[in-house]
Amino acid sequence: DAGVTQSPTHLIKTRGQQVTLRCSPKSGHDTVSWYQQALGQGPQFIFQYYEEEERQRGNFPDRFSGHQFPNYSSELNVNALLLGDSALYLCASSPLGMRDRGKETQYFGPGTRLLVL
Amino acid sequence: TQLLEQSPQFLSIQEGENLTVYCNSSSVFSSLQWYRQEPGEGPVLLVTVVTGGEVKKLKRLTFQFGDARKDSSLHITAAQPGDTGLYLCAGAPLTTDSWGKLQFGAGTQVVVTP
Repeated sequence: DAGVTQSPTHLIKTRGQQVTLRCSPKSGHDTVSWYQQALGQGPQFIFQYYEEEERQRGNFPDRFSGHQFPNYSSELNVNALLLGDSALYLCASSPLGMRDRGKETQYFGPGTRLLVL
Repeated sequence: TQLLEQSPQFLSIQEGENLTVYCNSSSVFSSLQWYRQEPGEGPVLLVTVVTGGEVKKLKRLTFQFGDARKDSSLHITAAQPGDTGLYLCAGAPLTTDSWGKLQFGAGTQVVVTP
């Protein structure tokens, strides 16, 4: 049973460019969340997708957008890249029925390391 | 801003010693997860605690959730070099309008030397 997969593993971009990161959730999971982890910090919640819609959003600008496909996979898009966007971008998936208290556990992929020069 | 405070930030111990990592908040959580992360990789789930006062054991790791569901601790007995890593706690908010938005601490870097 494959876990959460992400692509690419590493990416180098320059300021002002746009980037798309991809995520496939764990089998049986329908909810995908995206996090940004800067060096030396814990992950920060960007947004969450369920039923192909953005359901929750953290404190990130509109330059960060996403999409969820019918097969539950997801994309994270970042426009007009800034140096400060350099980070490890993590995708996490959650199983069906997690909307009960105590079942909020999320399972993470290996991440995409983005470097903006 | 990390709403979950982890302490200590860094811990270096010898193999065989015990250690405890703390995770504290002023917020009440629906549940709390502990993860371990290796450099350049994603966090790997260790445990989820749900009930106030709950204690869970995973081999040499013992996790406790505070009675008020605001804090948690991770205790490792007889640490081994394989326990080296960044330990992260993450709380699931209680309010339905924040459902699914895990809040992470900054992590505790643990180094166990042979």
